[in-house]
Amino acid sequence: EIVMTQSPATLSVSPGERATLSCRASQSVSSNLAWYQQKPGQAPRLLIYGASTRATAIPARFSGSGSGTEFTLTISSLQSEDFAVYYCQQYNNWPRTFGQGTKVEIK
Amino acid sequence: EVQLEESGGGLVQPGGSLRLSCAASGFTFSNYAMSWVRQAPGKGLEWVSAISGNGVSTYYADSVKGRFTISRDNSKNTLYLQMNSLRAEDTAVYYCAKGEGIAVAGKYYMDVWGKGTTVTVSS
Repeated sequence: EIVMTQSPATLSVSPGERATLSCRASQSVSSNLAWYQQKPGQAPRLLIYGASTRATAIPARFSGSGSGTEFTLTISSLQSEDFAVYYCQQYNNWPRTFGQGTKVEIK
Repeated sequence: EVQLEESGGGLVQPGGSLRLSCAASGFTFSNYAMSWVRQAPGKGLEWVSAISGNGVSTYYADSVKGRFTISRDNSKNTLYLQMNSLRAEDTAVYYCAKGEGIAVAGKYYMDVWGKGTTVTVSS
């Protein structure tokens, strides 16, 4: 099983600042990496797939990068609606696995 | 509009069974793989199971293998998860999700999610 490790667990950021979230895979997943956003009481929402492609209707302030084992999600200028938990997930191998999540909170 | 709606959750005793359903609309259901993902209270996301568009290929997390069965009825646009021998640690919100990507290569992410149904396993 591929283990996905996200860091940091919690990120405190002021509105308008940049946020950088990391995700590491225990073995290569190529570019088969997705990022999801989840707000309290809501289902996850797809943000990024293929490591760097924004999903439909996702604002340009969200960007993804990386391949192999190291991945990054960057939110260029945090808006109030971006405070949430973010998960990475690999879809290269079975079983699919998620990272433990990074909570982005207001500083 | 693509929509997924889960149902069938509830309170069940340890060792009991439950069948979850996920009704799909707004897309050609049989063309897409589908998945179940769960989230225990206060915890992160855990992938549970997936099934190919034609229902031939199925995949399971080790934590549910041998106890849960995923299936689909493409004539009814419905996905199922039969859960047997339930344990307290199966308590979670269960989401169904539509697969998108290179299905023939098994490389698909989850682009649309339902709102979830809650399963509580307790005596």
